[in-house]
Amino acid sequence: DAEITQSPRHKITETGRQVTLACHQTWNHNNMFWYRQDLGHGLRLIHYSYGVQDTNKGEVSDGYSVSRSNTEDLPLTLESAASSQTSVYFCASSGWGETQYFGPGTRLLVL
Amino acid sequence: GESVGLHLPTLSVQEGDNSIINCAYSNSASDYFIWYKQESGKGPQFIIDIRSNMDKRQGQRVTVLLNKTVKHLSLQIAATQPGDSAVYFCAENPGNTPLVFGKGTRLSVIA
Repeated sequence: DAEITQSPRHKITETGRQVTLACHQTWNHNNMFWYRQDLGHGLRLIHYSYGVQDTNKGEVSDGYSVSRSNTEDLPLTLESAASSQTSVYFCASSGWGETQYFGPGTRLLVL
Repeated sequence: GESVGLHLPTLSVQEGDNSIINCAYSNSASDYFIWYKQESGKGPQFIIDIRSNMDKRQGQRVTVLLNKTVKHLSLQIAATQPGDSAVYFCAENPGNTPLVFGKGTRLSVIA
């Protein structure tokens, strides 16, 4: 069955370190998205991609970057982790104009 | 698992009763709407969707109603069960942009 996976599921890192969160989907979806979810803020869009080599900034993109070298993967990189980036991160994918399917999430703690 | 929001609107219903969760959307150009369910510690899960050319769509125990005149979306859950306890999000697709998510409503089922 097609699915979307995220790794790691839990990560603890230190302030200033670079961190990369992986997202892999086997739906063959063109569209992929990264969100963060914090208490009181719901889902906030970080970056998204509509296809290979395409990336776009969301509403909370500062301090994050993505690259799309193939259809299946959209890794999210925190260039220099900050305590404010402690959060739960969700990846999602969709076909054009269709439902987004979410991964299980990565819980990141920045100390 | 973690809580997805401390200040979400909460709906408490008795087991076996019907639940109605409401959502106001913002963009009159939106043509596709989705309801998600998020259980504690998990990613949002697709429940049901509806396109703007429809007023009602039924699934298994769930019904979505769309009122475009007042930009209102509702999710009805029949015979609510303890397993329905979760946070429910609506989302709208305003066109060639990512989905816009509502803040969510917490459904609490009283056994």
